[in-house]
Amino acid sequence: DGGITQSPKYLFRKEGQNVTLSCEQNLNHDAMYWYRQDPGQGLRLIYYSQIVNDFQKGDIAEGYSVSREKKESFPLTVTSAQKNPTAFYLCASSSSAEAFFGQGTRLTVV
Amino acid sequence: GQQVMQIPQYQHVQEGEDFTTYCNSSTTLSNIQWYKQRPGGHPVFLIQLVKSGEVKKQKRLTFQFGEAKKNSSLHITATQTTDVGTYFCAGPNSGYSTLTFGKGTMLLVSP
Repeated sequence: DGGITQSPKYLFRKEGQNVTLSCEQNLNHDAMYWYRQDPGQGLRLIYYSQIVNDFQKGDIAEGYSVSREKKESFPLTVTSAQKNPTAFYLCASSSSAEAFFGQGTRLTVV
Repeated sequence: GQQVMQIPQYQHVQEGEDFTTYCNSSTTLSNIQWYKQRPGGHPVFLIQLVKSGEVKKQKRLTFQFGEAKKNSSLHITATQTTDVGTYFCAGPNSGYSTLTFGKGTMLLVSP
């Protein structure tokens, strides 16, 4: 089945620790994205990538980092510099015609 | 860069009432797409509009693409509790394979 997979679904971390969220797609899409969603809010763009080995900051990139070493993979690291990391994180990939979202990772920092 | 704006941010209706959300782009779009996110879920593709002035229907949902291809609307007739969720529009960035999403309109339907 073609699709986009995020893991894990739920993640708990202690404050001050870095954590990496996984995102893999087998849709052969060039473009991939990371969004953050807080309760009752819309999507806020963290980073996006149009091609392997290249990525751009979105609206709220501070405290996050990404890499795009392979077309299929776009992992997001939430660093200790992110002041309010507890949120729902969504990864997506797209052609110009349609975007596919992963199931999301719900990160809780305690 | 391209901006996509949606209004309203939030709407609460009684079951049976109609609902409309509007999407406006700062640039002309080659197409516009609509997505729905159910509470606790992830956004799922609903439809794509390509032609100027295009109107498409999916049961009680009517989607329109403006003549100038810079705005769009989603209208739901006689809302049901199953319509609850956040509706997003998105448009492709000119020359790139990326999409810009609006912030979404959250719809709450009371029985």
